[in-house]
Amino acid sequence: AQKITQTQPGMFVQEKEAVTLDCTYDTSDQSYGLFWYKQPSSGEMIFLIYQGSYDEQNATEGRYSLNFQKARKSANLVISASQLGDSAMYFCAMRVYSGGSYIPTFGRGTSLIVHP
Amino acid sequence: DAGITQSPRYKITETGRQVTLMCHQTWSHSYMFWYRQDLGHGLRLIYYSAAADITDKGEVPDGYVVSRSKTENFPLTLESATRSQTSVYFCASSETVNTGELFFGEGSRLTVL
Repeated sequence: AQKITQTQPGMFVQEKEAVTLDCTYDTSDQSYGLFWYKQPSSGEMIFLIYQGSYDEQNATEGRYSLNFQKARKSANLVISASQLGDSAMYFCAMRVYSGGSYIPTFGRGTSLIVHP
Repeated sequence: DAGITQSPRYKITETGRQVTLMCHQTWSHSYMFWYRQDLGHGLRLIYYSAAADITDKGEVPDGYVVSRSKTENFPLTLESATRSQTSVYFCASSETVNTGELFFGEGSRLTVL
């Protein structure tokens, strides 16, 4: 069963505007971690932000913030003041407990295009 | 240099041949992972390892073999490559079991003809 759902295959945003990329997850664990990664066209995976399930405040890293709504099981990524360089694939991920380890499981990704 | 490196970066092979993708990390992270990335599927876990000599299957293990005799190396072998294994393969490592960032290699693009 899919544990991470990203419902937006593609998103478009105007430069300098904010954009929200959706991510919902499914777990019965109390302790888990949520991540967002960026993959530009060059192919490398770039870590953006992390949110622990017990963290009371939403994680922020520069222009990136994670809108964590535990009851709704959502972990949306908000990018403020979009830049052309933000055009990329974005992956939401969660560590899922399996066989004694917490295994990182990824969503299918959202392609973001930033227009000038 | 410190980090996680994959080799080869690009490989073209033929159906039925054996291929090994190498992964080496310099941090002594306990956890290592192999993912494949295909359009529309995101990253799917092939195998992972919690420590040297401890490996386990992920979501899509069929057709792949791994080993981990040393903490720093986690090779992935396709024993008899098939066209469906044409993909981009990512190796990753992690220091902790529950939280903490995954560190990715640059990826290996494999084409099976």
